[in-house]
Amino acid sequence: DAKTTQPPSMDCAEGRAANLPCNHSTISGNEYVYWYRQIHSQGPQYIIHGLKNNETNEMASLIITEDRKSSTLILPHATLRDTAVYYCCQTGANNLFFGTGTRLTVIP
Amino acid sequence: DTAVSQTPKYLVTQMGNDKSIKCEQNLGHDTMYWYKQDSKKFLKIMFSYNNKELIINETVPNRFSPKSPDKAHLNLHINSLELGDSAVYFCASRPRQGQRSNTEAFFGQGTRLTVV
Repeated sequence: DAKTTQPPSMDCAEGRAANLPCNHSTISGNEYVYWYRQIHSQGPQYIIHGLKNNETNEMASLIITEDRKSSTLILPHATLRDTAVYYCCQTGANNLFFGTGTRLTVIP
Repeated sequence: DTAVSQTPKYLVTQMGNDKSIKCEQNLGHDTMYWYKQDSKKFLKIMFSYNNKELIINETVPNRFSPKSPDKAHLNLHINSLELGDSAVYFCASRPRQGQRSNTEAFFGQGTRLTVV
């Protein structure tokens, strides 16, 4: 069973922000939240991660709630190439548990 | 150079056979993983190895036996293959985490196993 839960699918208009939510209510104090995406059946690709603070990199932003029970991945300007399955994960020292994934479809 | 490479990419075999999937990483990482992705796209961790030692075995049948000859390799051997073993298997590697699990994992391109 997945430790994180995500909506199964979402659509986003090209050029608009895509906001992908994730619930991780069982996350412990030393576990990080990671986001990966998978395009077609390729290997998962790292996007971003965080512990408590919000994070931003060249790909996305990650907003983590103060109680750390949920987070949102933001793709600020979605393109057609961002169409993929996005996985929210929680990770400890030697594990990396994937969520159920959200299939994001970017619509022209 | 490919960071995490798996061979073969595709594997079709009959029920009851024994097969192996190889994984190599050239990143100098200490931790390696095997994941199984089923038809519903759920990625389930199977094994975690840290510097050639088994750390996690997520209730995987003992027909599955990982072998790590050195920390750059983690091969997966499967005995007596069953129809339900059909899936895509991903290998991944990650630096040693220490007290903070704040480094990313790198994944191979997957091995699509079809048991007929």
